[in-house]
Amino acid sequence: GQNIDQPTEMTATEGAIVQINCTYQTSGFNGLFWYQQHAGEAPTFLSYNVLDGLEEKGRFSSFLSRSKGYSYLLLKELQMKDSASYLCAVRGLSGAGSYQLTFGKGTKLSVIP
Amino acid sequence: EADIYQTPRYLVIGTGKKITLECSQTMGHDKMYWYQQDPGMELHLIHYSYGVNSTEKGDLSSESTVSRIRTEHFPLTLESARPSHTSQYLCASSESGLEQYFGPGTRLTVT
Repeated sequence: GQNIDQPTEMTATEGAIVQINCTYQTSGFNGLFWYQQHAGEAPTFLSYNVLDGLEEKGRFSSFLSRSKGYSYLLLKELQMKDSASYLCAVRGLSGAGSYQLTFGKGTKLSVIP
Repeated sequence: EADIYQTPRYLVIGTGKKITLECSQTMGHDKMYWYQQDPGMELHLIHYSYGVNSTEKGDLSSESTVSRIRTEHFPLTLESARPSHTSQYLCASSESGLEQYFGPGTRLTVT
């Protein structure tokens, strides 16, 4: 099975940098995804890591350490529109599970002026 | 921009009614998924399909059923709606295990 932990809520100031952590314990691992979900809307894809290291995409970066079962999402130059929930999701490894995602409960980020 | 659609967006219905939530995608993705999400909670996979005539139940037990007769269409049916079915239902699709694209969701309320 999969167990994914993220902080429930975080608050950060506009223009600042925030790091959202995710730890996971899985029976198999085939990649980690980050999604953004605004209230009442569908999740949208942000980033994907399958190998250790940092993936950068504009203001967003995601890091993975497979040996530690740890990832983080880094948001730079925060904007008010970044206020949303950020979901960490792990993809399974074997058989039918290799295309399924298990989601964490999400971290609700509030950006304040 | 992902082309995945869900109808209706909102539905309020009485207990015991049969309902079908529609999901269609125009990207030719072979894999499709249904998730259930309560407010402030995580997404739970309730059904998935890896191709036409292939459907499986997900991790969360659900009284709903699905079908996959065409690649682009993956409807979810509740034979007899109950208040415990009140939730948001999200449909998603993906190509060969890459990122999943989500539809806008159907917010279902059963009275």
